Amino acid sequence: EDKVVQSPLSLVVHEGDTVTLNCSYEVTNFRSLLWYKQEKKAPTFLFMLTSSGIEKKSGRLSSILDKKELFSILNITATQTGDSAVYLCAVEAYRNNNDMRFGAGTRLTVKP
Amino acid sequence: NAGVMQNPRHLVRRRGQEARLRCSPMKGHSHVYWYRQLPEEGLKFMVYLQKENIIDESGMPKERFSAEFPKEGPSILRIQQVVRGDSAAYFCASSPVGPPEIGKLFFGSGTQLSVL
Repeated sequence: EDKVVQSPLSLVVHEGDTVTLNCSYEVTNFRSLLWYKQEKKAPTFLFMLTSSGIEKKSGRLSSILDKKELFSILNITATQTGDSAVYLCAVEAYRNNNDMRFGAGTRLTVKP
Repeated sequence: NAGVMQNPRHLVRRRGQEARLRCSPMKGHSHVYWYRQLPEEGLKFMVYLQKENIIDESGMPKERFSAEFPKEGPSILRIQQVVRGDSAAYFCASSPVGPPEIGKLFFGSGTQLSVL
């Protein structure tokens, strides 16, 4: 059965710290891995990764995928209180059902 | 271009009642997915629909739950005879493409169902 495991489950840091969130997966016919940020309600898209070793960046956030070791990391540098959210990792496979598997999320709290 | 619209935002039902959750996908999107999120858990896939067709309902309980996406109008997730364990946030997402590619999903704001 497909699995997506995120760690840590929760993390508390202070403004200015750098954090690394982890996502490991086991999925048949892997296609892509996606990161979402969920604040109060709807998850919002951050990154989509399909190739190993290519870092994607957006401001202070960056992410990279390792398809050999089956994991991805999401880095946030110089964290701000507005980064406080649940970060979800999702894995998409080549399948007829278009299903995406989500991890349980990492709850990040950034204190002033 | 409006995003994915879900309503109601909050729904309170007593045990045994029916809950109807609505989702209007983004304009031009014909693929709709429903997810359930329990507290402290990730999003769990329930059902994937295209217009007038259920493509995959493997994540949806066989009893009391049903979903539809008619030719006209929103997608509906229906829960009959609700129980306390149905209390959760239900998210709808849409995408413009179908299998084998799904890519980025666009999510609605969710419906928080509370069963008393």
